[in-house]
Amino acid sequence: NAGVTQTPKFRVLKTGQSMTLLCAQDMNHEYMYWYRQDPGMGLRLIHYSVGEGTTAKGEVPDGYNVSRLKKQNFLLGLESAAPSQTSVYFCASSPFQQAGTEAFFGQGTRLTVV
Amino acid sequence: QKEVEQDPGPLSVPEGAIVSLNCTYSNSAFQYFMWYRQYSRKGPELLMYTYSSGNKEDGRFTAQVDKSSKYISLFIRDSQPSDSATYLCAMSGWGGGGADGLTFGKGTHLIIQP
Repeated sequence: NAGVTQTPKFRVLKTGQSMTLLCAQDMNHEYMYWYRQDPGMGLRLIHYSVGEGTTAKGEVPDGYNVSRLKKQNFLLGLESAAPSQTSVYFCASSPFQQAGTEAFFGQGTRLTVV
Repeated sequence: QKEVEQDPGPLSVPEGAIVSLNCTYSNSAFQYFMWYRQYSRKGPELLMYTYSSGNKEDGRFTAQVDKSSKYISLFIRDSQPSDSATYLCAMSGWGGGGADGLTFGKGTHLIIQP
């Protein structure tokens, strides 16, 4: 009963380094999202995908890229990490019929950029 | 001004008390109103959702929506220490399809004192 799995759970990066966060869901959901959660800012949408091979920008897309080559996976990339990208990153997925109400979240990835 | 405003708290109440959590919003297009619960170091989970105005009850939880005032509430009766968590309101303009993610409040940190 995995649901949404995020890899890695923790990571420390140096400024300028790159990394990829992996999200995998086993619920056959069409929609997938990447959010970041910062103290005092709440959850903010970075990028999202409404199906395999599609991606779109959310509220705070700058500095991030995404890809969805397979329906079950949604990758978030940081090309050149900055301290402002220190955050907790959550991946979520939704079935088509409930995409406006229920999102299933992963456990989060805690990223620190020093 | 953000589209969704929510007092971050913390809100501390004794066990057994009735808890009232609230959000205000500015976007008239919102039709679906959700409450998510997030335990420390976990991803958010959907508690309940309401379509348009009105009340919805689920066990000890009652959600209320007043679209005329752009105000939503979550009431928790007979509060338990296990209810201690961050409660996030979320909103969207549609139920299924055409997804561009949910708009979240910042979350209210609730503490139930035994």
